Amino acid sequence: SQQGEEDPQALSIQEGENATMNCSYKTSINNLQWYRQNSGRGLVHLILIRSNEREKHSGRLRVTLDTSKKSSSLLITASRAADTASYFCATDTGRRALTFGSGTRLQVQP
Amino acid sequence: DVKVTQSSRYLVKRTGEKVFLECVQDMDHENMFWYRQDPGLGLRLIYFSYDVKMKEKGDIPEGYSVSREKKERFSLILESASTNQTSMYLCASGRPGQLSGNTIYFGEGSWLTVV
Repeated sequence: SQQGEEDPQALSIQEGENATMNCSYKTSINNLQWYRQNSGRGLVHLILIRSNEREKHSGRLRVTLDTSKKSSSLLITASRAADTASYFCATDTGRRALTFGSGTRLQVQP
Repeated sequence: DVKVTQSSRYLVKRTGEKVFLECVQDMDHENMFWYRQDPGLGLRLIYFSYDVKMKEKGDIPEGYSVSREKKERFSLILESASTNQTSMYLCASGRPGQLSGNTIYFGEGSWLTVV
């Protein structure tokens, strides 16, 4: 079963709008990471938030983590057509390997 | 920059064939992984290795085996390919531990079609 589940499964917005995607997980974590995947390519690491952090920023990305609700959100501000991709959350539970969710497909219309 | 190279981008194999997917990383990472990606199912872990000659089963190891004879190379083997193994295979590597947060770096993927 998936540790992380993203919501929504698909999101379509206009350029300039903000995009928010959510991730829920089931067990306690050391950290939670977000990855991006362009169509047909490998995944690229975007940002990591540790279990003792509540919010983190990187450029136009803002990640929040609520360990009491076992959830995280990724906000992309002022989206661009180039942000069109799938976004995955991944949890580090202390097991050697990360567990990935099923992803959110983001389409940014020019 | 970390580079993870998967030797084959697209493969078409016949049912019953033995298939080798090769992956090489250039960052001296201890950990290497093989994931499988299918629509609607996300990434599922097949096997991973935390050292040369060491391996651990992931969530879906059935029908697969792996080999890690050198630190930089991790191979995924399909002993007898079946049509339900048609998928995209992703190799990744990373350095373990709290400092890295177990962040991993992916190759470009190998699209395998079994006919």
